[in-house]
Amino acid sequence: NAGVMQNPRHLVRRRGQEARLRCSPMKGHSHVYWYRQLPEEGLKFMVYLQKENIIDESGMPKERFSAEFPKEGPSILRIQQVVRGDSAAYFCASSGDPGYEQYFGPGTRLTVT
Amino acid sequence: QKEVEQDPGPLSVPEGAIVSLNCTYSNSAFQYFMWYRQYSRKGPELLMYTYSSGNKEDGRFTAQVDKSSKYISLFIRDSQPSDSATYLCAMRKDEGFQKLVFGTGTRLLVSP
Repeated sequence: NAGVMQNPRHLVRRRGQEARLRCSPMKGHSHVYWYRQLPEEGLKFMVYLQKENIIDESGMPKERFSAEFPKEGPSILRIQQVVRGDSAAYFCASSGDPGYEQYFGPGTRLTVT
Repeated sequence: QKEVEQDPGPLSVPEGAIVSLNCTYSNSAFQYFMWYRQYSRKGPELLMYTYSSGNKEDGRFTAQVDKSSKYISLFIRDSQPSDSATYLCAMRKDEGFQKLVFGTGTRLLVSP
């Protein structure tokens, strides 16, 4: 049984380009969470989504960042016009219910040059 | 002040030692407490998940929560070199979904 899957595992973008990060939750899970991990910092919550709905985006920067979880397909975290400060590891987690344990994927390491 | 404080380490111990990892927190609304293990350049792996105060044991791992002191601990018995990783504490409130709030992680090194 596959766990949470994320791709790509590594992504290099130049300043001003767009980054698209994908997350497929564990089988049977319909709740997806995105976290960002900066060097020397813990994971910071960004957004919580259910199918076709954003439930909580209180941790998302107001500009350039967006997320979706369509009816079909993976959840997408999109970062437009990337800047060097966006370089980080982005982790996706999923759960079977919103109050249950969150299981994390391997992460996408974004490097902005 | 951060909501969750965790000593970054590194904590170096010899193989077979008992390891104690700790976190303190400031928000008394936290009710669920978790410990994740993260190997270098990997995703966090859930180790322990506890509700409110008390102890929980799973193999070589024991999680303790003291809500009166706002202090949680993870004990690892008979530590192994394969336990070398960063250990993250995380917690959340008890109101339906609440985001996980993480400590910065403690790096553990177990030498053979």
